[in-house]
This record gives sequence, structure tokens and C-alpha cells, in this order.
Amino acid sequence: GAGVSQSPSNKVTEKGKDVELRCDPISGHTALYWYRQSLGQGLEFLIYFQGNSAPDKSGLPSDRFSAERTGGSVSTLTIQRTQQEDSAVYLCASSGRGTDEKLFFGSGTQLSVL
Amino acid sequence: AQSVTQPDIHITVSEGASLELRCNYSYGATPYLFWYVQSPGQGLQLLLKYFSGDTLVQGIKGFEAEFKRSQSSFNLRKPSVHWSDAAEYFCAVVLFSGGYNKLIFGAGTRLAVHP
Repeated sequence: GAGVSQSPSNKVTEKGKDVELRCDPISGHTALYWYRQSLGQGLEFLIYFQGNSAPDKSGLPSDRFSAERTGGSVSTLTIQRTQQEDSAVYLCASSGRGTDEKLFFGSGTQLSVL
Repeated sequence: AQSVTQPDIHITVSEGASLELRCNYSYGATPYLFWYVQSPGQGLQLLLKYFSGDTLVQGIKGFEAEFKRSQSSFNLRKPSVHWSDAAEYFCAVVLFSGGYNKLIFGAGTRLAVHP
């Protein structure tokens, strides 16, 4: 596609359920990021994938959070046993390999945990 | 630790007035700096970036930003604000880690524009 695609755009779930958020980066982009934006907060880095290198998971807030990137393309962010504080907009971004490569963001997934 | 600070959470300006959004960073080396805008219901869009060279950088939509090393600042400016500029603005710095870049964002400044 022309841009970074995220699905679903909105997700409402009950506390304790697991959720999966999907990100389709721009074709050919080797770098993929997940960020979280909570109400009134700035963007919080979660995880970074670059090609076949080991991902940088330093931003994941707990072991309930995990992410995969299959075949160097599509990524899935999984939150297990969701809590109300997980409610936020989850943003995915992708870019080329260079350090000055422009970052392209998806429109995000609004997650609401009831 | 490296960080980005946007001191103003909310700013309101009148249409046609000038605008300056503040951004301060804490980073040991010369940073790569960015400004992003997030309009309601939209994803983030890059306004401009600074890597090196001329400290005054021009971006899209009539925005500019000036890198001031002595003040550790990268403030965003626009001489005349339009109602469509109402949005949330994020300053960010690239943190180099393990040979690749990682963007660190400020908390954002929400801009409201009065007619």
C-alpha cells in the first residue's frame, strides 16, 4: 500500500483479555517501530525492529507485552491479560535503514480496556 | 539520560497571529531533531528535521525551526497561524543505539486556534 496500515483502528476489550494489534509497514522499509500514546502523554517508545537484527524491546512496559515481525514485513503487537492502564493509542511507524530516513506513521489503533 | 521537554502543554493563539512552540533536549552529542504534527483523527506527519548545517530549517505548511546549541533548544515557529494548524505538535530527538536510530518524543503541545 501507499502508507503504513494499522488494524483494527479501534478495539474495545474487557480487562483480562488478550489483544493483537497489526501493522503493515511500507513495502521495502526495513525499520519498524511501535509507540504508545496515552491520554495527555507524549509518545512512548515500545519496540523497534530493524531487518534481521534482534529487536530493541527496551520500551515494553511489562512481560504482558510482546511483538513479532514475520518475514521482515508485517508486525503484530500482543498484549496479554489487558489492564485498564493499557488503554491508549498504539502507533506503528516504518522507515528505511539509514539514520536520516523519514519515519512514516500509521493512523494508530485506539485500544480501550473496560 | 537523553530526553525531550516541551514546556507548554496547551497553547491558544488567534488566527493570523505568530506562533512559537518550545522544545528543549538533553543529549550529549549533536542531536538529530524533528517536529511532528498530529491532527485530529490523523497519523503523525513530519513537519521538518535538523541534522546538520544551517541552524534554521524550513518545513512544510510554512513552519520553520531554529536549532540553538547554546540553549539546547529547537523551537518551532510560524509567522501567521491558520485555523487548520490546530493540532498536537511533538518534538523528537533521535537516539543512536546499537547502530540504529530510536526516536524519543516530547509530551506534545496542543495548539488551539481562535478565529
